[in-house]
Amino acid sequence: QSVLTQPPSVSGAPGQRVSISCTGSSSNIGAGYDVHWYQQLPGTAPKLLIYANTNRPSGVPDRFSGSKSGTSASLAITGLQAEDEADYYCQSYDSSLSGSVFGGGTKLTVL
Amino acid sequence: QVQLQESGPGLVKPSETLSLTCTVSGGSIRSYYWSWIRQSPGKGLEYIGYVYYSGSTSYNPSLKSRVTLSVDASKNQFSLKLSSVTAADTAVYYCARERGIKAFDIWGHGTMVTVSS
Repeated sequence: QSVLTQPPSVSGAPGQRVSISCTGSSSNIGAGYDVHWYQQLPGTAPKLLIYANTNRPSGVPDRFSGSKSGTSASLAITGLQAEDEADYYCQSYDSSLSGSVFGGGTKLTVL
Repeated sequence: QVQLQESGPGLVKPSETLSLTCTVSGGSIRSYYWSWIRQSPGKGLEYIGYVYYSGSTSYNPSLKSRVTLSVDASKNQFSLKLSSVTAADTAVYYCARERGIKAFDIWGHGTMVTVSS
């Protein structure tokens, strides 16, 4: 049971928009701690996709965007491409655990 | 640019200690937090903890009694020791750089460690 809750899977056709939710609590996202998102392509290490809720590292396409409200955050991907098929993880800090916590991950399938 | 590389045994016997090292290249280990994260086969990511370049540490409470993180700034390396391992500790272990905002911006490729007799 992960501290942050994500849907196990989402899917969309090429060109469409999908959104992945990340739900936390008052000790992590709701306490104001930043949410970060990672993309993990099959057989590779995770890659930072969005940091501090809404920011994209250099090189990440603007098709990826993040938002945060209350105890939840979301990752949106527009103009879906086959190469976006991967696992996506949200991550934040939890004050009751005094450490970082991850969501359980969401598998994105591009139909 | 900064790169991380994990190294250590791929097979550890139950009840023994798992030991891994992460070598930082292309940059200094100073002024950053350095973390370990693991991923059991087919599962999600689990935060193990961090070591600051000065040597201060923070551990996941669920692993705290068995984990020791350390840093050797002279070698630009940091290390993980996990004692009394069981099959549940079988995982890919990643080292990563943790920024002040608690994001992991640089990751190693990961190393698979299997606990088995």
